[in-house]
Amino acid sequence: EVQLVESGGGLVQPGRSLRLSCTASGFTFGDYAMSWFRQAPGKGLEWVGFIRSKGYGGTTEYAASVRGRFTISRDDSKSIAYLQMNSLKTEDTAVYYCTREEGGVADYWGQGTLVTVSS
Amino acid sequence: QLVLTQSPSASASLGASVKLTCTLSSGHSSYAIAWHQQQPEKGPRYLMKLNSDGSHSKGDGIPDRFSGSSSGAERYLTISSLQSEDEADYYCQTWGTDIRVFGGGTKLTVL
Repeated sequence: EVQLVESGGGLVQPGRSLRLSCTASGFTFGDYAMSWFRQAPGKGLEWVGFIRSKGYGGTTEYAASVRGRFTISRDDSKSIAYLQMNSLKTEDTAVYYCTREEGGVADYWGQGTLVTVSS
Repeated sequence: QLVLTQSPSASASLGASVKLTCTLSSGHSSYAIAWHQQQPEKGPRYLMKLNSDGSHSKGDGIPDRFSGSSSGAERYLTISSLQSEDEADYYCQTWGTDIRVFGGGTKLTVL
């Protein structure tokens, strides 16, 4: 059974940093791209970024709203994807979800972790 | 620019059928999409991938009541024999080489 578990969320002050983790199980992690999405309170889903599998270069892509502040990485030996968030803003407050990707399709979702950016 | 457009809301009666629409922006009518469901206070769940020719592949455990179809730039999600647990937000999603895009979502109310 595919499982994705996000962790690392919490309350953080504007301008500070936070790292989220996504621990995967039930599939060969290294064979898949992994994406991060977010959902601000009462709003729709927003793409944050994704990391390709090592077979496709392990490169990353980001939404314009987070580019230059957020970094996605992966540790295939541990089956974990990370989202490093720097220079956080109040508008980054959201539930953050990680997903497995199959050809652009987010086919499995984690349960999400809440990030609150507030002073 | 790759954009998906959804109606904000829809409603249908218990036991009836409903067809939700997702429209691709001009020049992108050949794109496949995915449909996701988000029940109240829950995380999203993948429903299906829907191709431009109407062929679709569903996620694990998705009931036969959920089906997809396509016409031009329109992508449809049809839910038949509506049940109370189908009351949820439904999002369409598509992708390019370096981008992922969501529609604004449709809130489905089961009357």
